[in-house]
Amino acid sequence: SAVISQKPSRDICQRGTSLTIQCQVDSQVTMMFWYRQQPGQSLTLIATANQGSEATYESGFVIDKFPISRPNLTFSTLTVSNMSPEDSSIYLCSVIGVAGELSYEQYFGPGTRLTVT
Amino acid sequence: AQTVTQSQPEMSVQEAETVTLSCTYDTSENNYYLFWYKQPPSRQMILVIRQEAYKQQNATENRFSVNFQKAAKSFSLKISDSQLGDTAMYFCAFMATLNDMRFGAGTRLTVKP
Repeated sequence: SAVISQKPSRDICQRGTSLTIQCQVDSQVTMMFWYRQQPGQSLTLIATANQGSEATYESGFVIDKFPISRPNLTFSTLTVSNMSPEDSSIYLCSVIGVAGELSYEQYFGPGTRLTVT
Repeated sequence: AQTVTQSQPEMSVQEAETVTLSCTYDTSENNYYLFWYKQPPSRQMILVIRQEAYKQQNATENRFSVNFQKAAKSFSLKISDSQLGDTAMYFCAFMATLNDMRFGAGTRLTVKP
């Protein structure tokens, strides 16, 4: 497995502002993902973060609202732009393929709890 | 599209007893992976157990075991000798490709002393 950290762990933001969430892994990974978990709900995949190229977004999520960067094999950021109360959720980073392993196991960061007022 | 169904929103069990959480899924794929994740109040997603669809033998991890019925597209989780620390949300997940993991709605399990 890998040690995955996210910053911030939680934040309270005003509507109309933007927040960037960081995900750092202690070893190189093949794939990185961003999920949203709305209150009391299951996880929904936002996008796959691709190293050195644009992220691949799932239906219902767009780059203008959720820009994602992945400059290297251990780090990614998710920005939640022009926030509204509906964006209040837990945002989780996850990874597959720790240290180049041909693994299908997906590991998750501790999540970032975002509240928009 | 793949879907995952967990029909039990909430369950409870007495400490030291056994409980089974249900999960069914729908797919036309033949090769895929199934997982159970645990999410305690700390919100950290923890991988509990995994099963490869091509393996007929049911996976076990200490007190956790699965009953994988491929033809019925069923993947239940059995927790034996339940402990207070097992109290959490449990999510069943399906993955046919590495960039497409689908989660069920979750089952909230409470272990009572």
